Amino acid sequence: DAKTTQPNSMESNEEEPVHLPCNHSTISGTDYIHWYRQLPSQGPEYVIHGLTSNVNNRMASLAIAEDRKSSTLILHRATLRDAAVYYCILRYSGGGADGLTFGKGTHLIIQP
Amino acid sequence: KAGVTQTPRYLIKTRGQQVTLSCSPISGHRSVSWYQQTPGQGLQFLFEYFSETQRNKGNFPGRFSGRQFSNSRSEMNVSTLELGDSALYLCASSLATANYNEQFFGPGTRLTVL
Repeated sequence: DAKTTQPNSMESNEEEPVHLPCNHSTISGTDYIHWYRQLPSQGPEYVIHGLTSNVNNRMASLAIAEDRKSSTLILHRATLRDAAVYYCILRYSGGGADGLTFGKGTHLIIQP
Repeated sequence: KAGVTQTPRYLIKTRGQQVTLSCSPISGHRSVSWYQQTPGQGLQFLFEYFSETQRNKGNFPGRFSGRQFSNSRSEMNVSTLELGDSALYLCASSLATANYNEQFFGPGTRLTVL
């Protein structure tokens, strides 16, 4: 899988929006952009994924740059429960499956 | 719908022993993947099973093996345990093996090797 780059940590205040960036300059046209998060003492949890268009679900929004070399995960109104490590992962969409390649992720800290 | 379950949740073994961990995927899911998480290496992919066949394997020694049964339940085995095998072992299930399917993770099995 192509490599992604994320900030090591970010801090935000409760009830404010959070924008988590991810750079993936070597992304190929067939790579999906996935986001997972891992809350303390839990297994990772799927957040959202997309290919080219922006995506929304009940947890978050994913904004994908027009050239697809970067994306941003948007938490519209952060709560203390959103404090977690967020992973941006690229996955090749063509046949079969590879395991998720987790990087270091972004440690999101939410201040009350 | 019940989530992914893993047993046991905690395990203590000594060097040289072997261990078997179990994973029950979400009902209807046919793909099961295994990951190892350590403070130093982070989350690393071990292998994936789909329809009782290993589809992909990460960069781990042959001491790490697995299998999947006809009901999609999976086990992983680590033989000749080393201190460095102490880790959280996570299992994830998904509907199918395509890369756009989300994976649902279990709570993990915490293995301590003494």
